[in-house]
Amino acid sequence: RKEVEQDPGPFNVPEGATVAFNCTYSNSASQSFFWYRQDCRKEPKLLMSVYSSGNEDGRFTAQLNRASQYISLLIRDSKLSDSATYLCVVPREGGSQGNLIFGKGTKLSVKP
Amino acid sequence: DTGVSQNPRHKITKRGQNVTFRCDPISEHNRLYWYRQTLGQGPEFLTYFQNEAQLEKSRLLSDRFSAERPKGSFSTLEIQRTEQGDSAMYLCASSLGAVQGALWTGELFFGEGSRLTVL
Repeated sequence: RKEVEQDPGPFNVPEGATVAFNCTYSNSASQSFFWYRQDCRKEPKLLMSVYSSGNEDGRFTAQLNRASQYISLLIRDSKLSDSATYLCVVPREGGSQGNLIFGKGTKLSVKP
Repeated sequence: DTGVSQNPRHKITKRGQNVTFRCDPISEHNRLYWYRQTLGQGPEFLTYFQNEAQLEKSRLLSDRFSAERPKGSFSTLEIQRTEQGDSAMYLCASSLGAVQGALWTGELFFGEGSRLTVL
């Protein structure tokens, strides 16, 4: 299993749709998980952190399944402004704390 | 602007030349990271510092790459004898060393990156 693997997308959805992305990881010891958002030609920015079973912030919900070693990101009521690439981030296996590995990203395009 | 600052923003060079990038992190952040990103890929870890100490370096990183953070503030990333495969966006990020027990809780703040094109 790769360290971090994501649905590559692109996901093309209409405004108002609900969309979910999955990310699988290999580091079974990991306690921290993150979703970063990267707009086109911009730098990544933190969207959500996940430390236990999940986290919710408005229209965004992240869920963690430790047994199956995957994290999901659910976006409800999609907005045009949600169009971006979503990066799954986990600590590197065998690395020191704070050594974070990024997935390749899942591209989301929300259409009017 | 108190964010992470990188320069130059763009660098075009010929194969075989040396290039150096500079990163100025957020002032109170003790951790500084270098990542490389190519089109369609996520950021790839290169190395990171805690204060002036280089704690980890990617095993994939060629010895043509070297990074320093001499006074625990700004950092430089030098690439010697550049190759066309080095063309990428070089991203710097900084964070607080936020550890709670065994949990890493820090947020990485990225600069806008330095784009390298090797001809």
